[in-house]
Amino acid sequence: GQNIDQPTEMTATEGAIVQINCTYQTSGFNGLFWYQQHAGEAPTFLSYNVLDGLEEKGRFSSFLSRSKGYSYLLLKELQMKDSASYLCAVRDGHQLIWGAGTKLIIKP
Amino acid sequence: NAGVTQTPKFQVLKTGQSMTLQCAQDMNHEYMSWYRQDPGMGLRLIHYSVGAGITDQGEVPNGYNVSRSTTEDFPLRLLSAAPSQTSVYFCASSYSTGATEAFFGQGTRLTVV
Repeated sequence: GQNIDQPTEMTATEGAIVQINCTYQTSGFNGLFWYQQHAGEAPTFLSYNVLDGLEEKGRFSSFLSRSKGYSYLLLKELQMKDSASYLCAVRDGHQLIWGAGTKLIIKP
Repeated sequence: NAGVTQTPKFQVLKTGQSMTLQCAQDMNHEYMSWYRQDPGMGLRLIHYSVGAGITDQGEVPNGYNVSRSTTEDFPLRLLSAAPSQTSVYFCASSYSTGATEAFFGQGTRLTVV
């Protein structure tokens, strides 16, 4: 079956670093995505990994290990505006399979 | 450049009514899709299209119809609304099936009473 697991909720402090994990079991794999979704808004693209390793983009980095079915999103220098849900998704053929999302709460 | 335009933003329907959610993109994207998002669950794919005239079912297609007569438009029809279809619906588009980024509309919050 298709399964993507993420923690439901995480809390971190402004200025700190947080790592959001995602594990997946899918019948196919053509890339892994991370999206950010603020409450009441549409998801917006953060990162894409198709090869093993780390992709860095400003304060955000994403890591992929295909052999372990594992990815993480690393957020540095947390800001209050980073309070949002973070969605992990795997492309399998024409379709994206989505995790339920991790709600990140930032405290001052 | 408007991106993905989705209407309406909010809608209340009575059980048994039908309606069409509109989705249009102006980026000449080939791939378009419809999702529903429910609390505690990931986005679930309803239908998708890889180009004009081509549509296919996703994970949860029952009760919904789509068509793709042009590259720009991908409407979603609810044939006979049921309370189980109360959800937030998102339309998304991307340059191709293998694109590295999808763009989402602002969503439609649908309540069926």
